[in-house]
Amino acid sequence: GQQVMQIPQYQHVQEGEDFTTYCNSSTTLSNIQWYKQRPGGHPVFLIQLVKSGEVKKQKRLTFQFGEAKKNSSLHITATQTTDVGTYFCAREGGSEKLVFGKGTKLTVNP
Amino acid sequence: DAGITQSPRHKVTETGTPVTLRCHQTENHRYMYWYRQDPGHGLRLIHYSYGVKDTDKGEVSDGYSVSRSKTEDFLLTLESATSSQTSVYFCAISEYGGSSGANVLTFGAGSRLTVL
Repeated sequence: GQQVMQIPQYQHVQEGEDFTTYCNSSTTLSNIQWYKQRPGGHPVFLIQLVKSGEVKKQKRLTFQFGEAKKNSSLHITATQTTDVGTYFCAREGGSEKLVFGKGTKLTVNP
Repeated sequence: DAGITQSPRHKVTETGTPVTLRCHQTENHRYMYWYRQDPGHGLRLIHYSYGVKDTDKGEVSDGYSVSRSKTEDFLLTLESATSSQTSVYFCAISEYGGSSGANVLTFGAGSRLTVL
């Protein structure tokens, strides 16, 4: 399975600003998952998107799956210091595998 | 978090020595995975298992071997460690495989390996 490309690699924001990370694929995805890894921690599953054009919300986090199912985004409204960490998207890579993007590292200035 | 533990959590070893990392789960999940995480590379799959004695290679399997003799244990072995294998290693488990569309991973806390 092909890797998914995540941009940006790093993002530094002031607390209260919004943040968006993007995940792009050259091929159509069956679904896309998002994980968050706090500094010094392990990745934790956030959400899975399956349907074309799907939008899901978790409090201040909004996840979108593109109409063509080739891209996805995670948007955080009014960031807080608790949002600090690295956000990964992941796609199914065939044969029971999950292939991760390289992640977007978010830092938040209080 | 789910019952998944990795050991050791930290290890320093010398080039050329064998190293075994252990992943133990109490969830009775069928699928188990070993990833390595390095700056700028994200999470890369080393090997995975889809059942007892059933394993397959990931994208960075060279220099690594695995074994799964019981559902609950998945061992990752570096036969002769090299400095390029200095990394943080994460084990993950999943109840369902990739073909199910519900392949959500639960990760262990990680094992930090330093090869001098």
